[in-house]
Amino acid sequence: KAGVTQTPRYLIKTRGQQVTLSCSPISGHRSVSWYQQTPGQGLQFLFEYFSETQRNKGNFPGRFSGRQFSNSRSEMNVSTLELGDSALYLCASSSDWYQETQYFGPGTRLLVL
Amino acid sequence: GENVEQHPSTLSVQEGDSAVIKCTYSDSASNYFPWYKQELGKRPQLIIDIRSNVGEKKDQRIAVTLNKTAKHFSLHITETQPEDSAVYFCAASTGGGNKLTFGTGTQLKVEL
Repeated sequence: KAGVTQTPRYLIKTRGQQVTLSCSPISGHRSVSWYQQTPGQGLQFLFEYFSETQRNKGNFPGRFSGRQFSNSRSEMNVSTLELGDSALYLCASSSDWYQETQYFGPGTRLLVL
Repeated sequence: GENVEQHPSTLSVQEGDSAVIKCTYSDSASNYFPWYKQELGKRPQLIIDIRSNVGEKKDQRIAVTLNKTAKHFSLHITETQPEDSAVYFCAASTGGGNKLTFGTGTQLKVEL
């Protein structure tokens, strides 16, 4: 099976802009979670989608949003970008209801100038 | 919410020695504890996980132990090799989904 894929891999934006990142899970996986990784804060949970519904949400401002489509592909959007949003955004997919192995994608590295 | 503390932040061992990384969690309802390895520039990869109904789990040179009473779990790597050099993250999940709370990571360096 193909692994988790994310597009784009690299992105440069300026403050105030918005960005949309995409994640395609492993075929058959219905859960997609998003994480932000920074040197200072480590790996932090953003949100999780399961069967097109947001099931869990982390402690991020409302500028961070996401959605999941019927084919389980997911997108996350960050509006009004801030310098502090520069990070590696990782998505992870898993096969079923909860606490199953999460397989990470390669990430999208976002740089906000 | 859940909080996971991880120690040490850096660990240097000689090839062939053992390495131990320790994590503590705050939420007694947490019941799933995976460990991820992340090499430089790569994605995190699961190396082993343990559930709260099990005290210890082994997979070749890697083992994880869980002490629910003390709310801590540890990763043990025996006979370390240079390719074990990476950042290791512990995590905890409370259930009701796949939300993972990660520790801050341990940079393991295996020296020849």
